[in-house]
Amino acid sequence: GAGVSQTPSNKVTEKGKYVELRCDPISGHTALYWYRQSLGQGPEFLIYFQGTGAADDSGLPNDRFFAVRPEGSVSTLKIQRTERGDSAVYLCASSFVAGELFFGEGSRLTVL
Amino acid sequence: KQEVTQIPAALSVPEGENLVLNCSFTDSAIYNLQWFRQDPGKGLTSLLLIQSSQREQTSGRLNASLDKSSGRSTLYIAASQPGDSATYLCAVRRLDSGGSNYKLTFGKGTLLTVNP
Repeated sequence: GAGVSQTPSNKVTEKGKYVELRCDPISGHTALYWYRQSLGQGPEFLIYFQGTGAADDSGLPNDRFFAVRPEGSVSTLKIQRTERGDSAVYLCASSFVAGELFFGEGSRLTVL
Repeated sequence: KQEVTQIPAALSVPEGENLVLNCSFTDSAIYNLQWFRQDPGKGLTSLLLIQSSQREQTSGRLNASLDKSSGRSTLYIAASQPGDSATYLCAVRRLDSGGSNYKLTFGKGTLLTVNP
């Protein structure tokens, strides 16, 4: 597709469950970012990939969060043992290196 | 640590007014600055990207300026319309000492309402 695609758009899960969120970037973009946005706040950086490797994962809040990008295109954000505080909109963006960022519509995660 | 502040947090104007949204950042060693628009429940739409060597960028009724030395950027919207109602976010990209970290740091945004 022409834009960044994120699935699912909405995910409701129970506390303690495992969740995967998928991001399909714009074709040809080597950089991929995950951000998290809570209500009334700006997006908060989680992790940045350049190609297949995580160039900066300093924003991941704890070891329950993990992200992969095995072939340098699609990325999956994985959250283990979800907690209510993980409820937020998870945004993915892609770009050429240091170029303009293009965001997907986000995945809204609700942990009950 | 880079901090980005946007003032005001919310703004309500009548249709047709020209308006200015403000963004300030604490570390002036930025690579570029990007303005985004976010509609309720939606992702972010890029409006303008200003490189650190540039002073301003224009797109239609939008004009963004950058004063890197003072850590400020403004987004000027001319002849505002109800369809401009949205949250406007400013984000700065800073290079780390190794020159390889292109992380963006966001402000909290300004919620703009343009009344018909």
